[in-house]
Amino acid sequence: SAVISQKPSRDICQRGTSLTIQCQVDSQVTMMFWYRQQPGQSLTLIATANQGSEATYESGFVIDKFPISRPNLTFSTLTVSNMSPEDSSIYLCSVEQGVGQPQHFGDGTRLSIL
Amino acid sequence: QKEVEQDPGPLSVPEGAIVSLNCTYSNSAFQYFMWYRQYSRKGPELLMYTYSSGNKEDGRFTAQVDKSSKYISLFIRDSQPSDSATYLCAMTSDSSYKLIFGSGTRLLVRP
Repeated sequence: SAVISQKPSRDICQRGTSLTIQCQVDSQVTMMFWYRQQPGQSLTLIATANQGSEATYESGFVIDKFPISRPNLTFSTLTVSNMSPEDSSIYLCSVEQGVGQPQHFGDGTRLSIL
Repeated sequence: QKEVEQDPGPLSVPEGAIVSLNCTYSNSAFQYFMWYRQYSRKGPELLMYTYSSGNKEDGRFTAQVDKSSKYISLFIRDSQPSDSATYLCAMTSDSSYKLIFGSGTRLLVRP
């Protein structure tokens, strides 16, 4: 399976600031996704990162808060904007290498907002 | 009611025990079923991936899907302390890439 690298692995940020998380894959993949895992809870899909076009957001998530880029088939970024303590969470990138293939995950970015 | 229900545990067993982890779901359209293992401070790691009903075995791990009961299971034989982790079930339908996850079960295997 693809090797997925996320940066940073963790960060502590001030309220009101923004942070961009990077996801790099060692091979071209068809689909890239961003998930959130809040403390003690399961994973929730934020959006699908579409190569060359705007991301597709799930209900409850908006582009102004979570802008996403995907300039090519191996790289994507998620920005968490105007952060508040409620944004403290683990943000995970996942990839799907083809139709009917399972998703594989990076190790996540652990974000704490003070 | 959540689409996927999973007992959060923790489940504590002695080394060598057979472990049974389960999820129930409500959406009959789910066709793809996955089990992920997540160690502390790591991302979910795919363990088992099955389509529709039936059993799948991989080493010490067996995944079972009973679509008539909307119930899936993961069995771990000869459990080891290294199996201590959170186990997440996930599923999706033919027409969707969106994974719906259970809340995860914490497993502790005591030496």
